[in-house]
Amino acid sequence: DTAVSQTPKYLVTQMGNDKSIKCEQNLGHDTMYWYKQDSKKFLKIMFSYNNKELIINETVPNRFSPKSPDKAHLNLHINSLELGDSAVYFCASSQKGTVAFFGQGTRLTVV
Amino acid sequence: TQLLEQSPQFLSIQEGENLTVYCNSSSVFSSLQWYRQEPGEGPVLLVTVVTGGEVKKLKRLTFQFGDARKDSSLHITAAQPGDTGLYLCALGNEKLTFGTGTRLTIIP
Repeated sequence: DTAVSQTPKYLVTQMGNDKSIKCEQNLGHDTMYWYKQDSKKFLKIMFSYNNKELIINETVPNRFSPKSPDKAHLNLHINSLELGDSAVYFCASSQKGTVAFFGQGTRLTVV
Repeated sequence: TQLLEQSPQFLSIQEGENLTVYCNSSSVFSSLQWYRQEPGEGPVLLVTVVTGGEVKKLKRLTFQFGDARKDSSLHITAAQPGDTGLYLCALGNEKLTFGTGTRLTIIP
């Protein structure tokens, strides 16, 4: 069974559209994250949730809205997509900030 | 904000050679993690180091935590094509702050 799964793996969309990426973890972890990896492979945290509560919001535009219906799920909704949003988005989970388990990533391309 | 600089940014060597990559921090950190990311996949944890001067070995990989806890290194002996990937160090805090990464390519 996949520990952290995110869908879709690839997403191509036009500027101005709204899209969502879903993430689920079956590890029983309390903390989930969204990271953005740019074209230079720099991995930067966007959000962190602990037990459905937002803990970290790293100056991400408010077009990005995470939603955590329960502690096993953390979805990312993006409004009015821009070219600069093109990147690989990774979901991850951990228990008390220790080892992070990552999903396979969602490659978002905005055209 | 604590920054993690990794060097070199890119490294391409022949199979069988040895190599060392580095992770340096602007300040002392309590623990450090090393991850490897293969193309099309998410990062996977290799090791966590927590004690200054600590050395951990994982087969052909040797991880060292500097005495002053501001730097760490990863040494690979007799590199194999399967070692190819992006190596990332990360602070083991609640934000899991990642370094700038080293892209390693092992040429068969």
